[in-house]
Amino acid sequence: DQQVKQNSPSLSVQEGRISILNCDYTNSMFDYFLWYKKYPAEGPTFLISISSIKDKNEDGRFTVFLNKSAKHLSLHIVPSQPGDSAVYFCAASQQGAQKLVFGQGTRLTINP
Amino acid sequence: GAGVSQSPSNKVTEKGKDVELRCDPISGHTALYWYRQRLGQGLEFLIYFQGNSAPDKSGLPSDRFSAERTGESVSTLTIQRTQQEDSAVYLCASSFVSRANEQFFGPGTRLTVL
Repeated sequence: DQQVKQNSPSLSVQEGRISILNCDYTNSMFDYFLWYKKYPAEGPTFLISISSIKDKNEDGRFTVFLNKSAKHLSLHIVPSQPGDSAVYFCAASQQGAQKLVFGQGTRLTINP
Repeated sequence: GAGVSQSPSNKVTEKGKDVELRCDPISGHTALYWYRQRLGQGLEFLIYFQGNSAPDKSGLPSDRFSAERTGESVSTLTIQRTQQEDSAVYLCASSFVSRANEQFFGPGTRLTVL
């Protein structure tokens, strides 16, 4: 039972354009959502997060949007840079639970 | 280093052997987590430690898997009688208990069971 889903295994974007990564979830008890970025042979590193009381959070080139009614969130990166090439994981948590529930990841490739 | 460290970075073992994976969390982080990532999959929660006790072991896939933590620091994940389906990257993370959403991950141990 995959509670967090990233349906696109890969995404290729031209440098300078916008990258949009999508994530869907099924558990309505989730109240906090995160995006992690992972380079090969390294652990995931935290990128940006959003609480369920908000619908948007912005940090520099990165913006996360949350649509609770659709149980959908997205990560926008603009402008995309070659260093953004990595695997991006969406994760969710619920109050009272310490663990994070992760999606399968999307491999983003930024082409020069 | 100030980050989470794991050892070994790579482990190749034969089916049926036991393996131990080690995690050194960030100093002061009372919460410690183990996850695993199979090829092409997301991270799968295994176990959570608060201090030296494990209030959530719900992700351990079988009784061949066990973990302990000592001194509110180092943790060891043990897999007995390894099977080929245990092949994965095993990731450790740590955080302050009050800030479970801010988990810092180690580089992982890649386990290959032949």
